[in-house]
Amino acid sequence: EVQLVESGGGLVKPGGSLRLSCAASGFTFSSYSMNWVRQAPGKGLEWVSSISSSSSYIYYADSVKGRFTISRDNAKNSLYLQMNSLRAEDTAVYYCARDSAMANWGQGTLVTVSS
Amino acid sequence: EIVLTQSPDFQSVTPKEKVTITCRASQSIGSSLHWYQQKPDQSPKLLIKYASQSISGVPSRFSGSGSGTDFTLTINSLEAEDAAAYYCHQSSSLPPYTFGQGTKLEIK
Repeated sequence: EVQLVESGGGLVKPGGSLRLSCAASGFTFSSYSMNWVRQAPGKGLEWVSSISSSSSYIYYADSVKGRFTISRDNAKNSLYLQMNSLRAEDTAVYYCARDSAMANWGQGTLVTVSS
Repeated sequence: EIVLTQSPDFQSVTPKEKVTITCRASQSIGSSLHWYQQKPDQSPKLLIKYASQSISGVPSRFSGSGSGTDFTLTINSLEAEDAAAYYCHQSSSLPPYTFGQGTKLEIK
C-alpha cells in the first residue's frame, strides 16, 4: 500500500524558516516524480513545486520561487521542502503527492505563519 | 500558465441524481487532465486520471471525458457519501501545474 507521511509543520514567525519532510513507502520511490501542493484555510489547491525522479528537473510556482527549495533523498525514500522567508500568505496545509497525476497524497502538515 | 475554470462553483443535488462538472482549460492540454475528490478534513483523492482513465477502488459511477480544452466529470446516481469538493488538475507539458478553483457538491 502506498503511504506518504508529511511532517515538520508548525507555527513560525514571518521571515522564519521551516523544513517539511515526506516519508514514502509502498512503492519504488526512486522511479517517480514528486510534488508539493498546498491548501490555504478554506481555499482550493495550489501546486507549489515538483521534482523529477532523479532530481534532474525541479520546478516552482512563482509565488515561492527563490524562497522554497525542493529536494529528495532516494536512499531514504524521502521528499523535502525547505521554506525560507515565510510570509503570512504561506499559511496552509502542505501535501506531498506522487507523480504528475498526483495519484497518492499524504495527510498533510499545517504550516502557520504568524507573529 | 494554463488556467483551468470549473463550473459550477457550487451545486446542491438530491441522491440518485446525475451530476456533471466541467473543467475548461485556457489552452489545449491533450488528455493531461485529472479529477480529485476532497471531503472535509481529508486529503484529495484521485478519481479519474488522463481525462477518462478509471482508478482502482473508485466507484464506477464516476467517469470522465473530454480532450483538448473541455473536460467533464460525471457522477451517475449520486450517493450521500459523494458530498465533497471536486477539483480538476492539469499536468500538460512542463510545470507550472494548475488546479481548477473547485466545485462544492452538497447533497440535499
